[in-house]
Amino acid sequence: SQELEQSPQSLIVQEGKNLTINCTSSKTLYGLYWYKQKYGEGLIFLMMLQKGGEEKSHEKITAKLDEKKQQSSLHITASQPSHAGIYLCGADPRNYGQNFVFGPGTRLSVLP
Amino acid sequence: DGGITQSPKYLFRKEGQNVTLSCEQNLNHDAMYWYRQDPGQGLRLIYYSQIVNDFQKGDIAEGYSVSREKKESFPLTVTSAQKNPTAFYLCASSIPGTNYGYTFGSGTRLTVV
Repeated sequence: SQELEQSPQSLIVQEGKNLTINCTSSKTLYGLYWYKQKYGEGLIFLMMLQKGGEEKSHEKITAKLDEKKQQSSLHITASQPSHAGIYLCGADPRNYGQNFVFGPGTRLSVLP
Repeated sequence: DGGITQSPKYLFRKEGQNVTLSCEQNLNHDAMYWYRQDPGQGLRLIYYSQIVNDFQKGDIAEGYSVSREKKESFPLTVTSAQKNPTAFYLCASSIPGTNYGYTFGSGTRLTVV
């Protein structure tokens, strides 16, 4: 069963628009990681959140973890074509046993 | 610079053949992992190894085999028993028990011809 859910499954936005991707866990998260993957490439680490209410930003990408530590959102401001790719959330193994669990991913396309 | 190197980037296999995917890391990470990624699906764990000379089956180990003779290397063999091997394969490594997450290689795309 899928322990991490992501929404939406895919997203197409016009360049310059803001967007949000969500990741929901069936369990309280010990730590939540966001990764980005370009087509045919490996995963690149974006951010890690651990504390309830925590928020981190890197360039135009902001990630938040809710107070209950069961939901995280990834927000991109003024999207650019370089933001296109697949965004995956991952849960710290201390949540789910021994190994990381990944969400199914959200495919983002940014139209110029 | 430290990182994970996967080779080859593209691999073609005839039906009935075994092929081996290479994964090498110079990060001094104890743990290494192999994932399979199919379109529209998330990452599925094939095998993992927490320490040299030891490895464990993941969720979809059937038709695959691994070895971990050196800390730096974790090769994956896709055997002829794997009925649908065409996929994108990702190798990762980590330091267990830390918050550093996983570091990924750039992947190998395997196609059965």
